[in-house]
Amino acid sequence: AQKITQTQPGMFVQEKEAVTLDCTYDTSDPSYGLFWYKQPSSGEMIFLIYQGSYDQQNATEGRYSLNFQKARKSANLVISASQLGDSAMYFCAMRETNQGGKLIFGQGTELSVKP
Amino acid sequence: DVKVTQSSRYLVKRTGEKVFLECVQDMDHENMFWYRQDPGLGLRLIYFSYDVKMKEKGDIPEGYSVSREKKERFSLILESASTNQTSMYLCASSSQGARDTEAFFGQGTRLTVV
Repeated sequence: AQKITQTQPGMFVQEKEAVTLDCTYDTSDPSYGLFWYKQPSSGEMIFLIYQGSYDQQNATEGRYSLNFQKARKSANLVISASQLGDSAMYFCAMRETNQGGKLIFGQGTELSVKP
Repeated sequence: DVKVTQSSRYLVKRTGEKVFLECVQDMDHENMFWYRQDPGLGLRLIYFSYDVKMKEKGDIPEGYSVSREKKERFSLILESASTNQTSMYLCASSSQGARDTEAFFGQGTRLTVV
């Protein structure tokens, strides 16, 4: 069974500093994809970044990067130079290839950026 | 612009009522999902459909059923609503095949069962 764990219910970060949001996963499928989504207070789900299990390099998208440690089964999101608009819920998700397109989410981390 | 549309933003229903939550996507996606979101529990998968008339149970299917008669429409049915089904319900869709295809979400339906 697949499982995604986010152990930080809430995080605070000072504006302009970097922050790491943790995500660990459990799978026996060698082929899988990992996703991070942002959910601001408006409720919309915004896709941020993707990492494939066979990707050799860590994914980056602007100020977002994914610290992928395959042996440890972790896929932490790093946000550099935090902005007030980064305050939101962040969800880690995984899709296993042998599960078709089934997508499972973690519990989420609420990030608050302080001015 | 890609779009997943849920029929209602807010819904109030009485205990025991049969409730239909509708979701429509215009991206010709094969996969569609229903999640419920509760504080501290994240998004929990209720049901997943990978094709018309095909469905798979997610982690919390009890008390729910689904219908997918057309590719673009995925309905979540609460046969007899109960107060513990008060929650935010999110519909999503994604393309099949490529691992890196993200899911697109609707705006959510906040259901209150009284």
